Amino acid sequence: EAGVTQFPSHSVIEKGQTVTLRCDPISGHDNLYWYRRVMGKEIKFLLHFVKESKQDESGMPNNRFLAERTGGTYSTLKVQPAELEDSGVYFCASSPGQVAEQYFGPGTRLTVT
Amino acid sequence: TQLLEQSPQFLSIQEGENLTVYCNSSSVFSSLQWYRQEPGEGPVLLVTVVTGGEVKKLKRLTFQFGDARKDSSLHITAAQPGDTGLYLCAGRINTGGFKTIFGAGTRLFVKA
Repeated sequence: EAGVTQFPSHSVIEKGQTVTLRCDPISGHDNLYWYRRVMGKEIKFLLHFVKESKQDESGMPNNRFLAERTGGTYSTLKVQPAELEDSGVYFCASSPGQVAEQYFGPGTRLTVT
Repeated sequence: TQLLEQSPQFLSIQEGENLTVYCNSSSVFSSLQWYRQEPGEGPVLLVTVVTGGEVKKLKRLTFQFGDARKDSSLHITAAQPGDTGLYLCAGRINTGGFKTIFGAGTRLFVKA
């Protein structure tokens, strides 16, 4: 069974540009989560989808971040325009149920210069 | 703001030694997870503890959940070089959904 995949693995962009991160969850997992780890700090929750609906987006930093999960399959996280403090590793996780184990992807390392 | 304080942040020990990692919070968690993360990969779940006072063992690893479900510990007996890695604790809080709060991690290095 394929695990959670994320694309790209690395992205280097300039301040003010737009970047879109993609997450493909494990097939059949209705729950999809986005997290971010900024250098030297803990992994922080961004938001949680149940199918195509946003269950909890309380961790989204500001309105420069937009997450979508059209059709309830893969999800995208767009940052527009990117700022220096957006640099970090963005993880996606999926689970079959809200209390079930979360399976994490390898992360996308975003560097904003 | 919910916080999960994890200590120590870094630990370098000799093979065969024992160690304990702690996670503490003022928040009550519905469950607490321990993960291990390797470079270039996402966290991989080791164990979930749910009940206050619960103790779970995974070979040489012993996990304990505090009675009040606010704290947890990971104890490794006779550490081996293969235990080297980043260990993360994460607590789940019921917010209608289940929000996960991570500790900052403990980077363990076991020398042969």
